Amino acid sequence: QVQLVQSGAEVKKPGASVKVSCKASGYTFTSYDINWLRQATGQGLEWVGWMNPKSGNTGYAQKFQGRVTMTRDTSTYTAYMELSSLRSEDTAVYYCARNYPETGNFDHWGQGTLVTVSS
Amino acid sequence: QAVLTQPSSLSASPGASASLTCTLRSGINVGTYWIYWFQQKPGSPPQFLLKYKSDSDNQQGSGVPSRFSGSKDASANAGILLISGLQSEDEADYYCMIWHSSTWVFGGGTKLTVL
Repeated sequence: QVQLVQSGAEVKKPGASVKVSCKASGYTFTSYDINWLRQATGQGLEWVGWMNPKSGNTGYAQKFQGRVTMTRDTSTYTAYMELSSLRSEDTAVYYCARNYPETGNFDHWGQGTLVTVSS
Repeated sequence: QAVLTQPSSLSASPGASASLTCTLRSGINVGTYWIYWFQQKPGSPPQFLLKYKSDSDNQQGSGVPSRFSGSKDASANAGILLISGLQSEDEADYYCMIWHSSTWVFGGGTKLTVL
């Protein structure tokens, strides 16, 4: 069965960086894009960006341009999202979700990773 | 003004129908967009429900009951998620989403209470 398993919770200080992983299984990793989204406690969903694991191509929401980097390791079927220059407003649960390219069918999601930014 | 606006809450009775709206900002024509709908229950990631562009162009998520359906109200410039035969398990947050300006954009979500 399709699974996306994310790395564990992180606590970071303002100004630091965080790298979250998303390990895929149960499907051909390079056939679907991986998107990253986040959700602050009690708030709505916010899209961070996407990555095509086959080509490595990425696209980021303007809000995160210059602060986010999405990469992958095709040998381990793992996608990564690194967010730098963290501030308190970045405290949220970060999700990875797969979709067939050029669709919004985010049909499988990771369990979420809580990133807390606090001094 | 937000790109997508959803009412923050909605209540309905078991067995009734609920119509959840997702209004696009003026100047963004609902007719040209796929509207995606997600359901999220507390402590869980969202689940893809369906996408709707027209009556002939729409797709149900895998395993999603036919009680969930999509439509549009062009006069209101809105996408609609209709849930019929409401059940207690339908109590959740519902989010709409579109692809706009090279970005996946979400509405603020509607908390549906079934009581």
